Amino acid sequence: DIVMTQSPLFLPVTPGEPASISCRSSQSLLRSSGYNYLDWYLQKPGQSPQLLFYLGSHRASGVPDRFSVSGSGTDFTLKISRVEAEDVGVYYCMQAQQAPRTFGPGTKVEIK
Amino acid sequence: QVQLQESGPGLVKPSETLTLTCTVSGASVFDNYWSWFWQPPGKGLEFIGYINLSGHSSYNPSLMSRVTVSLDTSKNQFSLTLTSVTAADTAVYYCARLLRATEVPILYHFLDVWGRGITVTVSS
Repeated sequence: DIVMTQSPLFLPVTPGEPASISCRSSQSLLRSSGYNYLDWYLQKPGQSPQLLFYLGSHRASGVPDRFSVSGSGTDFTLKISRVEAEDVGVYYCMQAQQAPRTFGPGTKVEIK
Repeated sequence: QVQLQESGPGLVKPSETLTLTCTVSGASVFDNYWSWFWQPPGKGLEFIGYINLSGHSSYNPSLMSRVTVSLDTSKNQFSLTLTSVTAADTAVYYCARLLRATEVPILYHFLDVWGRGITVTVSS
């Protein structure tokens, strides 16, 4: 299985300040098509996961533009330009390059 | 608006078979893929399996010998069956739709809608 790692695992943030989450995979998620087979999800407290980005950089409907992603191959980053209170929760990256799909351990974002 | 709702027992005895159902509204199970995930207490998300109408399915190898995902088109539902459960199967189980991306020139499915999750405890 492809192993996904994330850092940090815990991220206390100040509202209005930026935040960054790193995701790494044990194998390249970049296919010859030029697409990275990586998705990002946010699981808010007490809720089910919600899609943020798919295929590396495709923003899901309704996701604010303060969220952005970058990276390719095995190293990816999710950035929040200015954190808001509603952004708290656990952020997961998930690879779809190879079955079975596997998730990172999650990064818990909390307000300081 | 597409909604998914898990249902099933909240408590199952060890060695028994767990069956969960996901009822789909606002969409048809004839389209796309339908999947199950679980989240053990205090842990992250894990893929269990998925299926589509053509019968194309995929399972997590760690569970493959015990798990089946099936569709009931007459009820617009899909189900998860897990045999010989143990305490390690205690988790929140989520159903989710794998929607095909239409704005890219490749075949790709992403998880766009999730159920709220159902907590299942395995205990005697």
